Amino acid sequence: EPEVTQTPSHQVTQMGQEVILRCVPISNHLYFYWYRQILGQKVEFLVSFYNNEISEKSEIFDDQFSVERPDGSNFTLKIRSTKLEDSAMYFCASNKDGQNYGYTFGSGTRLTVV
Amino acid sequence: ILNVEQSPQSLHVQEGDSTNFTCSFPSSNFYALHWYRWETAKSPEALFVMTLNGDEKKKGRISATLNTKEGYSYLYIKGSQPEDSATYLCASMQGAQKLVFGQGTRLTINP
Repeated sequence: EPEVTQTPSHQVTQMGQEVILRCVPISNHLYFYWYRQILGQKVEFLVSFYNNEISEKSEIFDDQFSVERPDGSNFTLKIRSTKLEDSAMYFCASNKDGQNYGYTFGSGTRLTVV
Repeated sequence: ILNVEQSPQSLHVQEGDSTNFTCSFPSSNFYALHWYRWETAKSPEALFVMTLNGDEKKKGRISATLNTKEGYSYLYIKGSQPEDSATYLCASMQGAQKLVFGQGTRLTINP
């Protein structure tokens, strides 16, 4: 069964450093997403991406965050200057049509900012 | 963001028993309701996407119902097995591209 692949599985970074979280969505999917879960809290939406542009973003997704699909297969989330409160599990997901199908999630990247 | 709530937060059930749990969501501007199963150290796995009031969906021993007028969905598991132990997440689609998740129901099946 096709999978969404995320790397790395764990990342520890110093506060203020830039991090890039990588995802390879399912090849025939058209919609891509980033979600995150801070420990003990709900899974929360960050951003959706379709047709090479952001289609929706949450208030969490400020200027420190950016997404890119650089080569038609990878989908990356960059955090420019990490803060302690960015520590969370970050999930990438993809979806065939954005509406009628469930999302396929990756297994996540645990980001720890120290 | 309009809240999605799930209850109970956790549940222990004897193997072979049936169980159910609830997701409540905003009924205004409803698009769709998703259910996911999330096993420890794995990724959330889609169970159902429901869109119409009165929808009932079934996958093996697991089924779900949807009431969009009053804003709730039930997930049922019949004859629980140890492999059903997981966290069950519901999420309401708010806007065309954004899922808002509940906090999940953590289900443990006791052998």
